[in-house]
Amino acid sequence: QQQVKQSPQSLIVQKGGIPIINCAYENTAFDYFPWYQQFPGKGPALLIAIRPDVSEKKEGRFTISFNKSAKQFSLHIMDSQPGDSATYFCAASRNDKIIFGKGTRLHILP
Amino acid sequence: NAGVTQTPKFQVLKTGQSMTLQCAQDMNHNSMYWYRQDPGMGLRLIYYSASEGTTDKGEVPNGYNVSRLNKREFSLRLESAAPSQTSVYFCASSLSSSTDTQYFGPGTRLTVL
Repeated sequence: QQQVKQSPQSLIVQKGGIPIINCAYENTAFDYFPWYQQFPGKGPALLIAIRPDVSEKKEGRFTISFNKSAKQFSLHIMDSQPGDSATYFCAASRNDKIIFGKGTRLHILP
Repeated sequence: NAGVTQTPKFQVLKTGQSMTLQCAQDMNHNSMYWYRQDPGMGLRLIYYSASEGTTDKGEVPNGYNVSRLNKREFSLRLESAAPSQTSVYFCASSLSSSTDTQYFGPGTRLTVL
C-alpha cells in the first residue's frame, strides 16, 4: 500500500515526439505528486508537481495528467528535445512521508 | 547561496569500517532527508528530520544513524559498513515538509569492499 509503480523503465523517443511516463499509487492519503528530473552525476531536481484537486497541470512543455479515481498520474513532454534526455522520477507524498517510483530513463534521439 | 552541499563526493570503505556523510543547507529549511539511490530501485528514504532536534526512520533505516546537529546540518553515519550499503547517497532539504519542493545535494558515491 506504500508503493509507487512507475513505467516504463526506459523510453526512446524521436526529437519532437511526446514521451509519456506513467505512475500508479495505492495509498489514497497521498496529497502531493511531484516529478523530479535527474541528469547523470547530479541530484534530482523538481520538474513539476500536482495536488489531487486538479486533473491537469502544465508548465511549459511539461504536463501532468492526474486521475484520482484510478490512482494514476502521468508526465507528458511536448515537443521533446535531446536536452530532455534524463531520468525521471514520480513520487507521492503526505506530510513527511514520500515514496518515489523507480525511475524512467528517457533518451530523445536527435 | 550554495543550496545543499554534501561531503565527501566519493568514498571507498572496507567492510566493517565506519564513516559519516555530511550535509548542510543554507536555505533556512526546516526539513532534511537522506536517500540512497541504487540502479533500478529509485530513491529510497533512509531517515528524515522534520525540524531541528527531531529525526524519524524512513523506508530503509537499518545500518544507519543520523544526527540533526543544528538547523543547517544533517549527518548520516554508517557504524559498520557492509557491501550492501554501496550506493549513491543524496541529502535533500525542504521548507517544512515533503509536500514542499525538495532540493537535493550533488550526492556521495560510496563503495564498500
